[in-house]
Amino acid sequence: GQQVMQIPQYQHVQEGEDFTTYCNSSTTLSNIQWYKQRPGGHPVFLIQLVKSGEVKKQKRLTFQFGEAKKNSSLHITATQTTDVGTYFCAGPGSGAGSYQLTFGKGTKLSVIP
Amino acid sequence: NAGVTQTPKFQVLKTGQSMTLQCAQDMNHNSMYWYRQDPGMGLRLIYYSASEGTTDKGEVPNGYNVSRLNKREFSLRLESAAPSQTSVYFCASSEFLATVRHFGDGTRLSIL
Repeated sequence: GQQVMQIPQYQHVQEGEDFTTYCNSSTTLSNIQWYKQRPGGHPVFLIQLVKSGEVKKQKRLTFQFGEAKKNSSLHITATQTTDVGTYFCAGPGSGAGSYQLTFGKGTKLSVIP
Repeated sequence: NAGVTQTPKFQVLKTGQSMTLQCAQDMNHNSMYWYRQDPGMGLRLIYYSASEGTTDKGEVPNGYNVSRLNKREFSLRLESAAPSQTSVYFCASSEFLATVRHFGDGTRLSIL
């Protein structure tokens, strides 16, 4: 079945440093979605990317969808303590599984003040 | 506007007991989902409902049943709880299938 892999699993950064998490799918994706989950909280939808090579920005967050639509990245510029949490990517399956989102295991970000 | 509401927030069960997790959404969404999240894992889909009156299995359906009671409500039932079902359960809803944008606060379930 489809697999969605994220690296790194953990990332510790000093406040003000940049952070990047990478997401790779075993299959071509029709779209990819990113979520943030604060400790003890629920996932919060951040963005959906649909087009090959698409780049979208939300303030200090930059999301990119690869040209082959099999990989994606989330980059945070100048991290702040409010960025702490786990970032997940998720992509729909193909064929009969296209209604199901497969989530990566997430990248847990710690920010040292 | 409450969004997605789950009850209860916490529950401790003994092995073999049964219980139902409740979920309701007030956004008039067609699609609803149940996920489980285990430490170090992403979310795994248990069951989903594309629309009122339909339900389908997800990645990890064994040991669970669901009911889409009406457009607002989607419940998850554990008939005979097992320790392997200790997890955090999230209900979610969306306007379109496979574009999940709204999650409930979760139910933290421990089975002893």
